[in-house]
Amino acid sequence: NAGVTQTPKFRVLKTGQSMTLLCAQDMNHEYMYWYRQDPGMGLRLIHYSVGEGTTAKGEVPDGYNVSRLKKQNFLLGLESAAPSQTSVYFCASSYSTGGRARETQYFGPGTRLLVL
Amino acid sequence: RKEVEQDPGPFNVPEGATVAFNCTYSNSASQSFFWYRQDCRKEPKLLMSVYSSGNEDGRFTAQLNRASQYISLLIRDSKLSDSATYLCVVNIGNTDKLIFGTGTRLQVFP
Repeated sequence: NAGVTQTPKFRVLKTGQSMTLLCAQDMNHEYMYWYRQDPGMGLRLIHYSVGEGTTAKGEVPDGYNVSRLKKQNFLLGLESAAPSQTSVYFCASSYSTGGRARETQYFGPGTRLLVL
Repeated sequence: RKEVEQDPGPFNVPEGATVAFNCTYSNSASQSFFWYRQDCRKEPKLLMSVYSSGNEDGRFTAQLNRASQYISLLIRDSKLSDSATYLCVVNIGNTDKLIFGTGTRLQVFP
């Protein structure tokens, strides 16, 4: 049982390049989330998904897109990377009961992204 | 006012000491409260949920004060391994979304 995994662990991009971050979970969780963590800012929600085929915007969605084609995977895309997107990106997942997410979120190990 | 506010610290305490952190939240409709722990360059992990009546898990005690809109975390008999950043987490009103505080850094020294 690997829990939540993220690939890649580290990436350097040039401004304007694109990339996709992959999150995978093997706990059969309905809900999945993408956060970014910056110094002094705390974790901020980018996008989230309440089930396969559905996505929704979080607090800071601009410049990112997501897809949830399979229940176990949640992809985060950067179409045209900017230096302001230099950050640590965490994926998380959680159970749902009665249509509500169980509050305990399980996090992946993070992806460190540097945009030059 | 930030939705969740924490003293960033660092709190530097000797082994065996008792240390307490507070966290204030702004949304009176929030219903769920948690403390997460994050080690340096690692992912956050749930430490404990915070219940209305207060709850204890070994050396850790969490309290909720709805009237003053704050939660607290008390750590007794601090260990070196308790050194980490402690994140206060609150749900947004009646939604599934969580707001994370910026964290309080604890450093326990021998």
